[in-house]
Amino acid sequence: NAGVTQTPKFQVLKTGQSMTLQCAQDMNHEYMSWYRQDPGMGLRLIHYSVGAGITDQGEVPNGYNVSRSTTEDFPLRLLSAAPSQTSVYFCASRPLHAGNQPQHFGDGTRLSIL
Amino acid sequence: AQSVSQHNHHVILSEAASLELGCNYSYGGTVNLFWYVQYPGQHLQLLLKYFSGDPLVKGIKGFEAEFIKSKFSFNLRKPSVQWSDTAEYFCAVNDETGGFKTIFGAGTRLFVKA
Repeated sequence: NAGVTQTPKFQVLKTGQSMTLQCAQDMNHEYMSWYRQDPGMGLRLIHYSVGAGITDQGEVPNGYNVSRSTTEDFPLRLLSAAPSQTSVYFCASRPLHAGNQPQHFGDGTRLSIL
Repeated sequence: AQSVSQHNHHVILSEAASLELGCNYSYGGTVNLFWYVQYPGQHLQLLLKYFSGDPLVKGIKGFEAEFIKSKFSFNLRKPSVQWSDTAEYFCAVNDETGGFKTIFGAGTRLFVKA
């Protein structure tokens, strides 16, 4: 079982560049989310989606866009990378009406902005 | 807005010592509570969860947590830690009546000395 797959695992960008972090899950989960993990700050929710065509903002959405054209995929776009976006990014998923179920996490993308 | 507070950011223990990590959340409604663990270089894994029933929840690897509704707390405990418990621990809360956001605490880094 693949679970939640994130690509790439590592990326270095220059300030101002754009890129898309990919996330795909094969568990038919309606709920998907993106977090960033920074030392001493835990995981902060960037955006989430409750199904294809539906997305919403989390705690720290600025500088990021998302879309959900299919159940499986939930890409995260950095429009104009800034050094403050240097972080480890995790994608997660779970069934929608199962808030008591844990999220399944990907292995993360370590992103450095120079 | 929901928030989660973890009181200890760094904990250092010797093997066989007892562990208690504090977690408090702010939300007045019905919540689901989780503890996740992140071993070095890995993604988050579920330790245990609470959503209803017995407020004392047992998880994997000898961990347990107690939900005290009156104190808005969900503290994690282990009677005797091992070197292999060295990891970062995250408390998380979601509330489906107010949305689908799962909010994480800042994390506690545990180092167990052999």
